[in-house]
Amino acid sequence: AQRVTQPEKLLSVFKGAPVELKCNYSYSGSPELFWYVQYSRQRLQLLLRHISRESIKGFTADLNKGETSFHLKKPFAQEEDSAMYYCALKGGADGLTFGKGTHLIIQP
Amino acid sequence: GAGVSQSPRYKVAKRGQDVALRCDPISGHVSLFWYQQALGQGPEFLTYFQNEAQLDKSGLPSDRFFAERPEGSVSTLKIQRTQQEDSAVYLCASSPPGLATYNEQFFGPGTRLTVL
Repeated sequence: AQRVTQPEKLLSVFKGAPVELKCNYSYSGSPELFWYVQYSRQRLQLLLRHISRESIKGFTADLNKGETSFHLKKPFAQEEDSAMYYCALKGGADGLTFGKGTHLIIQP
Repeated sequence: GAGVSQSPRYKVAKRGQDVALRCDPISGHVSLFWYQQALGQGPEFLTYFQNEAQLDKSGLPSDRFFAERPEGSVSTLKIQRTQQEDSAVYLCASSPPGLATYNEQFFGPGTRLTVL
């Protein structure tokens, strides 16, 4: 079975502080990992995927197979980063397996 | 261009009623997915279509749930004899042709179903 765990339901940081949203996964094969974001009153959208090794809106995420983690990081948080963040895994099944999400609040 | 659209956006049903939720994917997108998102949870996979073929329905919670995509475009998720535990946001997503593993899923706004 495949599983995604996001241990923090809510994360509050001050503007300009570093942000790290944790994601751990369980999957026996070689997974594809994604971060999706949902801003207030908007639809779910892809933020980044591990295969691309890209930085989007200052966010990066590195797949650590040894620790089975895919934490999302940003060195300096901005108020517009406030949103729900979902870590997702694509394993053998066709659909994505999502974590429960972390609500990130950036305080001014 | 237009994104994935879903209708209705909100649906209130009495327990035992049947409901039908519609998804219009992005034009040309081959893959279509349905997810169920309960309050405070992440989306959970329900079913997957490639064109008109339903290739995976392993996530459908019971035989009261049925999905179709007869012409490989618009899809309908039908829930028969709704129960209170069916209350959730139902999300539709579509992906363009190509290697499914690497394709971004584009999500619709969802239909919020409330069963009284």
